[in-house]
Amino acid sequence: DAGVTQSPTHLIKTRGQQVTLRCSPKSGHDTVSWYQQALGQGPQFIFQYYEEEERQRGNFPDRFSGHQFPNYSSELNVNALLLGDSALYLCASSLEAGKSSGNTIYFGEGSWLTVV
Amino acid sequence: AQKITQTQPGMFVQEKEAVTLDCTYDTSDPSYGLFWYKQPSSGEMIFLIYQGSYDQQNATEGRYSLNFQKARKSANLVISASQLGDSAMYFCAMRDRTSGSRLTFGEGTQLTVNP
Repeated sequence: DAGVTQSPTHLIKTRGQQVTLRCSPKSGHDTVSWYQQALGQGPQFIFQYYEEEERQRGNFPDRFSGHQFPNYSSELNVNALLLGDSALYLCASSLEAGKSSGNTIYFGEGSWLTVV
Repeated sequence: AQKITQTQPGMFVQEKEAVTLDCTYDTSDPSYGLFWYKQPSSGEMIFLIYQGSYDQQNATEGRYSLNFQKARKSANLVISASQLGDSAMYFCAMRDRTSGSRLTFGEGTQLTVNP
């Protein structure tokens, strides 16, 4: 049973560029959430996708956008990259809250983004 | 609004001893869930243990147990018989009915296990 998979694992971008990160949820999960984790801090919620729609959003600018595909996989896009966007981006998968007992939230290994 | 507080930026423990990592939380929702994750330097967030607010007993998973004190709003993680491989960052997180599967994390505790 495959867990949550993310790609790429590491990447370096230049200020102003755009980046796309990808996530495949754990088998059987239908909800994908994205988190940003700056160095030395806890993860911060970016947004969540269910049924191909953005269901919740954290305090992140519109430069951060996403998509969920019919197979439940998801992409995180960041436009006009800033130095401050350098972070570990984590994807979490789960069952939609109404279907879940509450404790099925699993994370991928993350994508390390460096903006120079 | 939800809030998680981890007051120990760093903790040290001798191999084979037990260690307690502190976590306090705040929510106005009586239905919530508390999580602990381990994050090695590789970055992966590894699920350790879960406690639901209505669970009658403290959660246990192998060497991990959760000391859940609802009235004090604390959910401390206890690791027994520490191993060198336990050295990592540990995060406490929570969700409630308003947040769905959205987690709010604390700032983490860096645990170092000494031989």
